[in-house]
Amino acid sequence: DVKVTQSSRYLVKRTGEKVFLECVQDMDHENMFWYRQDPGLGLRLIYFSYDVKMKEKGDIPEGYSVSREKKERFSLILESASTNQTSMYLCASSSESGETGNTIYFGEGSWLTVV
Amino acid sequence: GQNIDQPTEMTATEGAIVQINCTYQTSGFNGLFWYQQHAGEAPTFLSYNVLDGLEEKGRFSSFLSRSKGYSYLLLKELQMKDSASYLCAVRDLSSGNTPLVFGKGTRLSVIA
Repeated sequence: DVKVTQSSRYLVKRTGEKVFLECVQDMDHENMFWYRQDPGLGLRLIYFSYDVKMKEKGDIPEGYSVSREKKERFSLILESASTNQTSMYLCASSSESGETGNTIYFGEGSWLTVV
Repeated sequence: GQNIDQPTEMTATEGAIVQINCTYQTSGFNGLFWYQQHAGEAPTFLSYNVLDGLEEKGRFSSFLSRSKGYSYLLLKELQMKDSASYLCAVRDLSSGNTPLVFGKGTRLSVIA
């Protein structure tokens, strides 16, 4: 089974703090993604990566950055956390190969509260 | 761009059948996915359609019509544990190797 692990399940941070959300996948997937999910807005893509040291902006990249130094790890960074970044953050990965056309597999999610 | 529509909420009775619809507009369609998400948990993969027709997997089936930009997820013999949000997602290659785009989800409540 695919395993996508997010380092922190629940976090509370102060406004202005730098926040790191870590994600590791164990299936040698090429692609990794960070989404946030908010009531009424659904899943929105923040950043994604198709290879090591490569990143692409998603729909809502403002206020975020990412790092992919190793294939299995994709980190989301909030340079200066703000209250409007309170949300559930979901990491995901997928492969270019396989029968089910790049199915995305999600981690358990990280609930971030910025106070 | 992509536009994915699905109903916001549905209610159905335990043991019944429910159909959750999804319509989409893309210029480079390359697959439609259904995910299930229980409250407070991550989405989990249910089904994948890339060709027209019905894909059956136990109590769940998913249908696709590419010409109509339409899919549905059919849940049979509903159980209380099926109460969850169901997300429709589309892969669109018109802009290159882009990730999935998700609808806002349909929250299904199964009642006794």
